[in-house]
Amino acid sequence: ETGVTQSPTHLIKTRGQQVTLRCSSQSGHNTVSWYQQALGQGPQFIFQYYREEENGRGNFPPRFSGLQFPNYSSELNVNALELDDSALYLCASSRGTLGLASYEQYFGPGTRLTVT
Amino acid sequence: DQQVKQNSPSLSVQEGRISILNCDYTNSMFDYFLWYKKYPAEGPTFLISISSIKDKNEDGRFTVFLNKSAKHLSLHIVPSQPGDSAVYFCAASLISSGSARQLTFGSGTQLTVLP
Repeated sequence: ETGVTQSPTHLIKTRGQQVTLRCSSQSGHNTVSWYQQALGQGPQFIFQYYREEENGRGNFPPRFSGLQFPNYSSELNVNALELDDSALYLCASSRGTLGLASYEQYFGPGTRLTVT
Repeated sequence: DQQVKQNSPSLSVQEGRISILNCDYTNSMFDYFLWYKKYPAEGPTFLISISSIKDKNEDGRFTVFLNKSAKHLSLHIVPSQPGDSAVYFCAASLISSGSARQLTFGSGTQLTVLP
């Protein structure tokens, strides 16, 4: 059983640019969630995808968007990058049944984004 | 508004003794609580969970206790081992609008187990 993988590991971008981060979910998992972890804080929920649709969103602006593909992998896109977007971005996968994801979420290693 | 709080940023314990990590929450809609362990340069690793209708769950050296009336949970590690040194996050789960299951995390506690 393969775990959650994310790419790239590290990324440096300039303010105003756009970035795409990628995630492959654990085998057998059909739900993907994205979290942002700023330095010294716990991860914060960005949004969740189930069957290629966003089914919930945290307190993040629309310039944070995502996609989920038929193989359940996912992308997080951030437009018009700001300095405060510098953080560790974590992807987590879980099993969903009848539209409801399991409470147990399994995390990837994260992508460290630095905005200068 | 921090709905999940871990008030101790760090904890040091001697090898072989008990480690107790604490977490407080405010939202009574949380229905599951989880503990994750995080090493540097890795993602959080799921450790143990508890349903809001239970007061205790055990898995090997790890036990989680839930006190719903106090809105408090704790993770006990017995006996503590040097390999347990990591940041421990408490997380609470609820079904948010749109049927998503979201986790709300505390800010973490750095546990150091001294040999």
